[in-house]
Amino acid sequence: ILNVEQSPQSLHVQEGDSTNFTCSFPSSNFYALHWYRWETAKSPEALFVMTLNGDEKKKGRISATLNTKEGYSYLYIKGSQPEDSATYLCACLNYGGSQGNLIFGKGTKLSVKP
Amino acid sequence: DSGVTQTPKHLITATGQRVTLRCSPRSGDLSVYWYQQSLDQGLQFLIQYYNGEERAKGNILERFSAQQFPDLHSELNLSSLELGDSALYFCASSAGGLYNEQFFGPGTRLTVL
Repeated sequence: ILNVEQSPQSLHVQEGDSTNFTCSFPSSNFYALHWYRWETAKSPEALFVMTLNGDEKKKGRISATLNTKEGYSYLYIKGSQPEDSATYLCACLNYGGSQGNLIFGKGTKLSVKP
Repeated sequence: DSGVTQTPKHLITATGQRVTLRCSPRSGDLSVYWYQQSLDQGLQFLIQYYNGEERAKGNILERFSAQQFPDLHSELNLSSLELGDSALYFCASSAGGLYNEQFFGPGTRLTVL
């Protein structure tokens, strides 16, 4: 069974701090990794889908890297703002037999203090 | 707004009852996914439909079933409800398969009393 781990579980930073968190997944049979941002009382919103080892993606102040050989992805937020407060989820594409589905981690909850 | 709609937003019912949750995907999306989020659990994949056909199945209980209709909307049916079925149920849609980002609906909060 594929296990996706995220760390830390929660993070409190000051406005302006840069921060990063980790998503770990089994490196064998890797297909794709998704990152989502989930604000309280809203629904998850896609940030990135990454497939290739060494992939780097960026959206504004948020960027992500992927290492499929060692089984991890980092999400970076530069100059955190209060509106970045959310839970950040990663999900790994798992194929069992002929069908696939996303396995989600439990998320990293980020709180940014003004 | 993701373009995915779910109804109802909240549902309160009793044990043993049956409910139907409805989802309309984004315009043009062929894939619909159902997820369950219980307390202290991550998003758990239940089932996927693609253009009317079941594509993948997760840890979906036998008491639960789903379908996708010709107009691509989907329904998740939950029967013989138990207290433990109380959760937030999300529907998501994507253009194609699992290499595409998924767009999540607002969710249905189910409370079983």
